[in-house]
Amino acid sequence: QKEVEQNSGPLSVPEGAIASLNCTYSDRGSQSFFWYRQYSGKSPELIMFIYSNGDKEDGRFTAQLNKASQYVSLLIRDSQPSDSATYLCAVSSNSGYALNFGKGTSLLVTP
Amino acid sequence: NAGVTQTPKFQVLKTGQSMTLQCAQDMNHNSMYWYRQDPGMGLRLIYYSASEGTTDKGEVPNGYNVSRLNKREFSLRLESAAPSQTSVYFCASKWNPGQDTDTQYFGPGTRLTVL
Repeated sequence: QKEVEQNSGPLSVPEGAIASLNCTYSDRGSQSFFWYRQYSGKSPELIMFIYSNGDKEDGRFTAQLNKASQYVSLLIRDSQPSDSATYLCAVSSNSGYALNFGKGTSLLVTP
Repeated sequence: NAGVTQTPKFQVLKTGQSMTLQCAQDMNHNSMYWYRQDPGMGLRLIYYSASEGTTDKGEVPNGYNVSRLNKREFSLRLESAAPSQTSVYFCASKWNPGQDTDTQYFGPGTRLTVL
């Protein structure tokens, strides 16, 4: 079983701070990495994906990938209470057909 | 454009009953997926269909069957429901089955309770 590990949290940050969410994976053959946000009682929605080493920025979100360390992270700048949700890290399988999901990190942004 | 739709939204079954969860997408996607999500377990893949006419087992297929009815629809059947199948079920789809950078889009989910 390919492992995708995330700290379950909750991670609590004050409004306006940077939230840092981390994910490690076991399959060295994985090529693509996704961050989904899931509000309570709702379905996962894609925030961003990354497949090259380094940083990828989209608005207040930055994904960071280090394939040598098998580590991917998501930074949320200027965190808002509306960012409070569970963040799921997903890693593509070798076939490209399926995703392996971590259990998610619960983020709480306090006003 | 409704995206991925699922029916029903909620369902309560008794042990041993059967039911079919329906999923449809209107994005002309080729691949479709069924996941279950349990507290503390994350999303686990039950079955997927890489393209119309094909289905494959995922991580937790036992107790389930699937049918890819056509390109739009992918159903999940519980033949004899068990309390261990109490979960939230999500259907997802994506355009290109073999393209690992392609995004999966999720439906709203079906909340199933088996008594």
